[in-house]
Amino acid sequence: SFELTQPPSVSVSPGQTATITCSGNELGDKFASWYQHKPGQSPVMVIYEDSRRPSGIPERFSGSNSGNTATLTISGTQALDEAAYYCQAWDSNTAVFGGGTRLTVL
Amino acid sequence: QVQLVESGGGVVQPGGSLRLSCAASGFTFRSHGMHWVRQAPGKGLEWVAFIRYDESDDYYADSVRGRFTISRDNSKNTLFLQMSSLRPEDTAVYYCARAGLHFYMDVWGKGATVSVSS
Repeated sequence: SFELTQPPSVSVSPGQTATITCSGNELGDKFASWYQHKPGQSPVMVIYEDSRRPSGIPERFSGSNSGNTATLTISGTQALDEAAYYCQAWDSNTAVFGGGTRLTVL
Repeated sequence: QVQLVESGGGVVQPGGSLRLSCAASGFTFRSHGMHWVRQAPGKGLEWVAFIRYDESDDYYADSVRGRFTISRDNSKNTLFLQMSSLRPEDTAVYYCARAGLHFYMDVWGKGATVSVSS
């Protein structure tokens, strides 16, 4: 079955660029989306269709997807970006989430 | 504004049943596919089920297929998840989410908590 792999954690200093990867077999042939999830809140979609930003999502969030890897990039990371981030794709009539990456801003 | 509100969560014994509802407002419900997604305590997001806008197809995660049924009432703008033969590992916060063109989840509810325990 299709699987998505993310690093469990990523750390970044405020103002720096955070990069979170998501790996899956031929993921570049599918559409990837990304979700931000803070404790006690509902998940929020920050990127869809590989690189498109929903209205209301800051421009510092960007995405790409090629080969076997999708990437979420947060430029000028702020303290309020600290959260878990999940990638997701659709394969064989199934939605698949990556295991999630805890982003720490310190 | 676009809103999804889940209800029906609670505590149930193993082997029991529960039905979750998700009331949609602020958009044309009958035009969108819908997902259920859950998060067990201390775990990541897990997709549960999807239903097309017109109920023509529904899909399930292997972990719930045969036990859970997703359905909808477009006349009442409501999504449902009927859960049967519940197991302790089904304990989670259950979210309903609106599906986008490529099955992404662009709007999420606040979640309903389901606890399966004796």
